[in-house]
Amino acid sequence: TQLLEQSPQFLSIQEGENLTVYCNSSSVFSSLQWYRQEPGEGPVLLVTVVTGGEVKKLKRLTFQFGDARKDSSLHITAAQPGDTGLYLCGRNTPLVFGKGTRLSVIA
Amino acid sequence: NAGVTQTPKFRILKIGQSMTLQCTQDMNHNYMYWYRQDPGMGLKLIYYSVGAGITDKGEVPNGYNVSRSTTEDFPLRLELAAPSQTSVYFCASSGTSGSLGTGELFFGEGSRLTVL
Repeated sequence: TQLLEQSPQFLSIQEGENLTVYCNSSSVFSSLQWYRQEPGEGPVLLVTVVTGGEVKKLKRLTFQFGDARKDSSLHITAAQPGDTGLYLCGRNTPLVFGKGTRLSVIA
Repeated sequence: NAGVTQTPKFRILKIGQSMTLQCTQDMNHNYMYWYRQDPGMGLKLIYYSVGAGITDKGEVPNGYNVSRSTTEDFPLRLELAAPSQTSVYFCASSGTSGSLGTGELFFGEGSRLTVL
């Protein structure tokens, strides 16, 4: 059973475009983490969201936690080739991941 | 500066062989995890540990065993390798964030296993 649904599964966009990826569940999260994984490497934490309705910004990345704490979104403004990678959301505890969104940003 | 260290980085096994993937962390983290990642997919949790002497099954534990005799080490054992276990294996560790559960996970570089 996949506890976390991520969409879209694949996304290919041009440099400078905006995009949003989603992470959804039927159950409430105590907290949720977003990671980015580049080819040949382990995932690296981007952000942890805890409070319903919370919005966190990391440069061009904006993370939102749904009011009911069942969903989250990641919005990237003016995507760059360096944003290319696999974006994973994970819920506690222990940390279980969704299948991820594979983003490709073309220069 | 080591963080989480996994060995070996690459291994080819024949069907039915056994092996152990080693994982060591030097951050004094209580939590340790083993995940597998199949090509183009996300990570599936195999086993995890919340401290020395305590281990628990994750999403896909069949065909694997673990032990946690020390805080630093969390080896993953494959007893009878099967082609379905061909994957990249990641070990991770984390501290705790109180009521929020696990803190940030720090991952090793991965171990690529092929079973032929």
